[in-house]
Amino acid sequence: KAGVTQTPRYLIKTRGQQVTLSCSPISGHRSVSWYQQTPGQGLQFLFEYFSETQRNKGNFPGRFSGRQFSNSRSEMNVSTLELGDSALYLCASSVEAWSGRAPRTQYFGPGTRLLVL
Amino acid sequence: SQQGEEDPQALSIQEGENATMNCSYKTSINNLQWYRQNSGRGLVHLILIRSNEREKHSGRLRVTLDTSKKSSSLLITASRAADTASYFCATDAPGQNFVFGPGTRLSVLP
Repeated sequence: KAGVTQTPRYLIKTRGQQVTLSCSPISGHRSVSWYQQTPGQGLQFLFEYFSETQRNKGNFPGRFSGRQFSNSRSEMNVSTLELGDSALYLCASSVEAWSGRAPRTQYFGPGTRLLVL
Repeated sequence: SQQGEEDPQALSIQEGENATMNCSYKTSINNLQWYRQNSGRGLVHLILIRSNEREKHSGRLRVTLDTSKKSSSLLITASRAADTASYFCATDAPGQNFVFGPGTRLSVLP
């Protein structure tokens, strides 16, 4: 099976702009989670989508949003970009959504590196 | 708040030596997983250990879990240059989605 793919791989934007990142999960996986990775804050959970519904959300401002399509592909959008949004954005897919009960393994894509100038 | 905390932050060893990384966490967990990340790339799942397990092996990897001390360790035996990467523990806890620690940067010198 093909792995998780993310596009674009690299992106340069300026403050105030908006950006949309895309993630295609492994075939058959219905859950897609997004993470932000920065040197200062490490890996932080943004949100999770399952069957086109947001199931969980991390502690990020409303400028960060996402959606999932019927084919499980997901997009995340960041509006009014700030310098601090420069980061590696990672998408991960899994068969099931997080339930807090059954263990699950997430499979990560290569990430999109966003630089905000 | 971060659940997992890896120790040490950075580790340098020679090829062939063993590398041990530790992860501590704060609350009760359902399971703990270890991931590897090569420089600036995505994370690769290494191993999952459930809260009712004490030790698991996978190839050159050995993971232990001590729920009484809220800690886990990852041992990589007979390390290779290709093991150079950052290693993260991630905890899955009731009411808390995946939480990653800050990671341990491992350098294996030839």
